[in-house]
Amino acid sequence: EVQLVESGGGLVQPGGSLRFSCAASGFTFSDYGMNWVRQAPGKGLEWISYISSSRTTIHYADSVKGRFTISRDNANNSLYLQMTSLRVEDTAVYYCVRGARGYSYGSFDYWGQGTLVTVSS
Amino acid sequence: ETVMTQSPATLSVSPGERVTLSCRASQSVSRNLAWYQQKPGQAPRLLIYTTSIRATGTPARFSGSGSGTEFTLTISSLQSEDFGVYYCQQYNDWPPKTFGQGTKVEIK
Repeated sequence: EVQLVESGGGLVQPGGSLRFSCAASGFTFSDYGMNWVRQAPGKGLEWISYISSSRTTIHYADSVKGRFTISRDNANNSLYLQMTSLRVEDTAVYYCVRGARGYSYGSFDYWGQGTLVTVSS
Repeated sequence: ETVMTQSPATLSVSPGERVTLSCRASQSVSRNLAWYQQKPGQAPRLLIYTTSIRATGTPARFSGSGSGTEFTLTISSLQSEDFGVYYCQQYNDWPPKTFGQGTKVEIK
């Protein structure tokens, strides 16, 4: 069974930093591109970052470019998001999301349960 | 950036009714479109990809159609477990991969 379990969210002040992780299991982690998608309270979904299976390709949404860093450790089946210069508008639930392969490539086939990040003074 | 627009924002439906949700792209996304269902307090779940292919576990009452800029998700006979928010997402032209703002399907 595919499982994605995020950890490390919490309350942080504006301008602060936070790093959280996603532990993957139930599939060959090193075969899949991975993403972070966030959802502000009561709002829709926003894709924010992608990293390819071999880490050779990384993309960010303009809203987080230069402030957030995605990384992965294939040996430990883990995905990370380092967030700096946090803003109030970064308050959201952050989902670890697997990128689908094959004919469904481009969609998101498995989602973690999400971790809440609150940016507030 | 490809902007995705969903309509209506909210749909009030009785169980057993046929439901049609719309999604429009600001430019052609070919058939590179997915639909997700999200229930309160849960993560989204992939329902359909490549416009019309049901993901594993998606009931046959869900169907998708369209191409280019106009897409539709149809639920042939709404069941109680189908209430929630539905999002479309394009992956033809990325980054970024963009979502629609969602359509909430609620009990009438």
